Amino acid sequence: AQKVTQAQTEISVVEKEDVTLDCVYETRDTTYYLFWYKQPPSGELVFLIRRNSFDEQNEISGRYSWNFQKSTSSFNFTITASQVVDSAVYFCALCGGYNAGNNRKLIWGLGTSLAVNP
Amino acid sequence: DAGITQSPRYKITETGRQVTLMCHQTWSHSYMFWYRQDLGHGLRLIYYSAAADITDKGEVPDGYVVSRSKTENFPLTLESATRSQTSVYFCASSGVRRRTSTDTQYFGPGTRLTVL
Repeated sequence: AQKVTQAQTEISVVEKEDVTLDCVYETRDTTYYLFWYKQPPSGELVFLIRRNSFDEQNEISGRYSWNFQKSTSSFNFTITASQVVDSAVYFCALCGGYNAGNNRKLIWGLGTSLAVNP
Repeated sequence: DAGITQSPRYKITETGRQVTLMCHQTWSHSYMFWYRQDLGHGLRLIYYSAAADITDKGEVPDGYVVSRSKTENFPLTLESATRSQTSVYFCASSGVRRRTSTDTQYFGPGTRLTVL
């Protein structure tokens, strides 16, 4: 069975703190894809990153960085020097490979609500 | 490049009425999806479509009908709305096209539906 767990339901930090959002996944597929999405208070779902299972390089985009570790089935997301605009719900998702039964469906975590206070 | 749009953005209806939510994408993505988002449940897949005229059930399909006669449109119909269908509905699309990440789902702005 495939599953995505975001154990942190809510996180509250003060502006400029670093914060890491955890994502642990389960899959038996050898090829799979991991995603992070952001949902700000305005409600839209914004794509942040897509990572392939065969590419374990970490990625940095400005203040955002992602740590992918297959050994621990984790795909954690770190925001450095957080800002109030980072306040949002963040979702981690898994696409378990492009087999006939998958059809590009995503398995979603329940999200982590991040509040960055001034 | 408009991307993916949904209409209406807000809808209030009464129990028993038929409601259709529209979704339109301009990327010619082959895959389209409908989700509902409720507190405590995250995003749940209602229906999805791999191509025009190909649709299949997701996790919570009961009470919903979809069609996909054209690649760019994927309407969702609530045949007889119930209060439990009060939710925020998101449409998404994915495919292989320039300026979008391959097989990444891109979401519309959502429709907030209230069933009285």
